[in-house]
Amino acid sequence: EVQLVQSGAEVKKPGESLKISCKGSGYSFTNYWIGWVRQMPGKGLEWMGVIFPGDSDTRYSPSFQGQVTISADKSISISYLQWGSLKASDTAIYYCARGAYSAYEFDYWGQGTLVTVSS
Amino acid sequence: QSALTQPASVSGSPGQSITISCTGTSSDVGGYNYVSWYQQHPGKAPKLMIYDVSNRPSGVSNRFSGSKSGNTASLTISGLQAEDEADYYCSSYTSSDTRVFGGGTKLTVL
Repeated sequence: EVQLVQSGAEVKKPGESLKISCKGSGYSFTNYWIGWVRQMPGKGLEWMGVIFPGDSDTRYSPSFQGQVTISADKSISISYLQWGSLKASDTAIYYCARGAYSAYEFDYWGQGTLVTVSS
Repeated sequence: QSALTQPASVSGSPGQSITISCTGTSSDVGGYNYVSWYQQHPGKAPKLMIYDVSNRPSGVSNRFSGSKSGNTASLTISGLQAEDEADYYCSSYTSSDTRVFGGGTKLTVL
């Protein structure tokens, strides 16, 4: 069974750093893209970027390029999303998802990680 | 890249059919047959309903269908059921080798 299990909720202050994780299981982690999606409170889905764990090839949405870093450790089947300096506007639920089919279409999703940034 | 344009809300009665549109540009929807649709119930992760414009993943009801004409893609739900009430998002591949979502449509089953 394909599963993506994300790390737990985080509460941070503005300016702090953060790294959240997404562990894949039940499939060949190195052969599928892993993507990250933001959902701000009460708002829609925003495509952030994807990584191919096999070779760490990465694509970022222009809206998120330079704002976050997507990485992966294929030895332990985990992808990471990290921030160097959080802002209050980073408060959101972040989902990871497996990219399949033709062009990063997400067929399996993690349960989401709530990140709250508040002073 | 701008979000794809979807109606904010649609509604229908049980048993009826509804269609949700998703309008982009020739750099995304119109340029590639890589449009997908997601269903999201409150407090839940999204679920893939349609990929590559009109293909259904295994396990998705055949009441859900997708199509595309020019820069506009559409999701049709036939035989509307109460459980279909949810938010729906389209997504398209783009010329930047990334993807973009639509703003989302809230479906209400009357």
